[in-house]
Amino acid sequence: AQSVSQHNHHVILSEAASLELGCNYSYGGTVNLFWYVQYPGQHLQLLLKYFSGDPLVKGIKGFEAEFIKSKFSFNLRKPSVQWSDTAEYFCAVSVNYGQNFVFGPGTRLSVLP
Amino acid sequence: GAGVSQSPRYKVAKRGQDVALRCDPISGHVSLFWYQQALGQGPEFLTYFQNEAQLDKSGLPSDRFFAERPEGSVSTLKIQRTQQEDSAVYLCASSLAVGGATNEKLFFGSGTQLSVL
Repeated sequence: AQSVSQHNHHVILSEAASLELGCNYSYGGTVNLFWYVQYPGQHLQLLLKYFSGDPLVKGIKGFEAEFIKSKFSFNLRKPSVQWSDTAEYFCAVSVNYGQNFVFGPGTRLSVLP
Repeated sequence: GAGVSQSPRYKVAKRGQDVALRCDPISGHVSLFWYQQALGQGPEFLTYFQNEAQLDKSGLPSDRFFAERPEGSVSTLKIQRTQQEDSAVYLCASSLAVGGATNEKLFFGSGTQLSVL
């Protein structure tokens, strides 16, 4: 069965610090990869996605992620975080034409002003 | 509506009680998913509909859980004889994908927080 792991449960950073959140998945076939974000009090929303092509994908709000197939990884990065980036971040993988999305346990990011 | 709507927002049930959770997806969205999210965990897949057809219910934890989408729009997740371990946030998501195309983006509702006492 597919599974997704996220390296950190809670990350605390100061504003302007660089961010990297780890994500690894286990699945041998073709996968589509996603990062979703949940801001406090809001619903989950898509941050970025990888389907094919350039393994470095750019999303909203300055986030980017790199797909490394040999490492089964899809890490999320941002060069300089802001207080407004405080949220929960979920990595997800979809298989079977998106009929099944598997989410990781999430990483809570706290950015201190 | 503009987004995925779920009701009620909060539900408190006594152990053994039946509950029904409603999801109104974005109009025209073919795909609909239900997820269960326990405190501090990521969403766990429950079931998937394509229009009115329930194509995957492999994530439903027991036969006490039942989901339907009779007209291919609104969906209801029913939990019979609720147990304390059913306490969680139940999320609904919809996607536009049609004709077998890949579901590229899920639009989530705010969820129903179920507390079983």
